[in-house]
Amino acid sequence: ETGVTQSPTHLIKTRGQQVTLRCSSQSGHNTVSWYQQALGQGPQFIFQYYREEENGRGNFPPRFSGLQFPNYSSELNVNALELDDSALYLCASSQQETQYFGPGTRLLVL
Amino acid sequence: QKEVEQNSGPLSVPEGAIASLNCTYSDRGSQSFFWYRQYSGKSPELIMFIYSNGDKEDGRFTAQLNKASQYVSLLIRDSQPSDSATYLCAVNLPSGGSYIPTFGRGTSLIVHP
Repeated sequence: ETGVTQSPTHLIKTRGQQVTLRCSSQSGHNTVSWYQQALGQGPQFIFQYYREEENGRGNFPPRFSGLQFPNYSSELNVNALELDDSALYLCASSQQETQYFGPGTRLLVL
Repeated sequence: QKEVEQNSGPLSVPEGAIASLNCTYSDRGSQSFFWYRQYSGKSPELIMFIYSNGDKEDGRFTAQLNKASQYVSLLIRDSQPSDSATYLCAVNLPSGGSYIPTFGRGTSLIVHP
């Protein structure tokens, strides 16, 4: 166990809806990164938050947004869901460069 | 395009053998290299990280980094059936003054008894 938790574990949404995924960091970690992992692919970096500020972003559209809170927990929000957003969403917390992943949220968009 | 490349496999080895997993990356300015193991339906689990050229050993695992040739490899000695999983290589690739963690698509390893 990494000490990183995510909720919910599974989620089903319909196209056009909005979704919020949550992540609690490992104690002492001030950095959270979010990834999207499609079936058969490696995780793709969405963005990273360091001390409540976005600290890097991958090649994802603006409808993917996030927040980090003072306790270093984090949210990933996705608006206007598309079928291709169906994937495993992973958050990873870190203090320096070594990241520890949570169990993920599996999102299905119908 | 900045990339991290891995052979998707599957790589099949007999129990007790050495499994060799390879990864290449596109940018010479890359820093920090990681190997993760991912069991089916689970999230990635960190095995090792390496920052400097050369070898780094941890138990049955050895990571090898060659920055001049832009590759990083993972050797698993005395492979066990429980090592059967997908192995993900991750590299911090430079991007706009910072570094973006970039994963390969993973290599599937099957260790058969």
